[in-house]
Amino acid sequence: GNSVTQMEGPVTLSEEAFLTINCTYTATGYPSLFWYVQYPGEGLQLLLKATKADDKGSNKGFEATYRKETTSFHLEKGSVQVSDSAVYFCALSRRSSNTGKLIFGQGTTLQVKP
Amino acid sequence: GAVVSQHPSWVICKSGTSVKIECRSLDFQATTMFWYRQFPKQSLMLMATSNEGSKATYEQGVEKDKFLINHASLTLSTLTVTSAHPEDSSFYICSAQRGVGTLHLGNIQYFGAGTRLSVL
Repeated sequence: GNSVTQMEGPVTLSEEAFLTINCTYTATGYPSLFWYVQYPGEGLQLLLKATKADDKGSNKGFEATYRKETTSFHLEKGSVQVSDSAVYFCALSRRSSNTGKLIFGQGTTLQVKP
Repeated sequence: GAVVSQHPSWVICKSGTSVKIECRSLDFQATTMFWYRQFPKQSLMLMATSNEGSKATYEQGVEKDKFLINHASLTLSTLTVTSAHPEDSSFYICSAQRGVGTLHLGNIQYFGAGTRLSVL
């Protein structure tokens, strides 16, 4: 079946540290891959996405590269800020689906300390 | 960005009562909306896909008579938890999709802030 696995949190970093949140997936075919972020008290927001192998999604200093050979989509940021503290969800959507059905990982909480 | 409003944000009810949760897309029309359930420290689990003007498509294991979904307009979908019991206590999240079809075509899902349901 289709599934997404994320590294367990919480991840606690100091400001300006380098961030990596691992995400691997299992899917039939070639899914589209997403990272969503949920700030406290708010709904999930799309952070970035990649729709085919070797694509790199980027936004707000965050990046993730679609690696088909390792079935991974790790999220990275070179220098985190306190305002990046949130829960991050990796997700996939199958191309063969006729709707935008999303399968999520369990979420990783990031805490950035000043 | 587009906004999806979910109401109420928190509801407490007695066992056996029914609770209705609303999901509205405020600045776009959404043919498709989705309802998720999230348990503490776990992932969002898709419950059903709500299509305007037609019956919802439920995921395996989700009781359609327990979780009634109505998508009567292009901006509103409702989830009614009927005869709620303590095991229904959870965080329910909706999303509305701008655009028709799959997400790899460039369509985007926008999420509500969620509803915390506590059944006593």
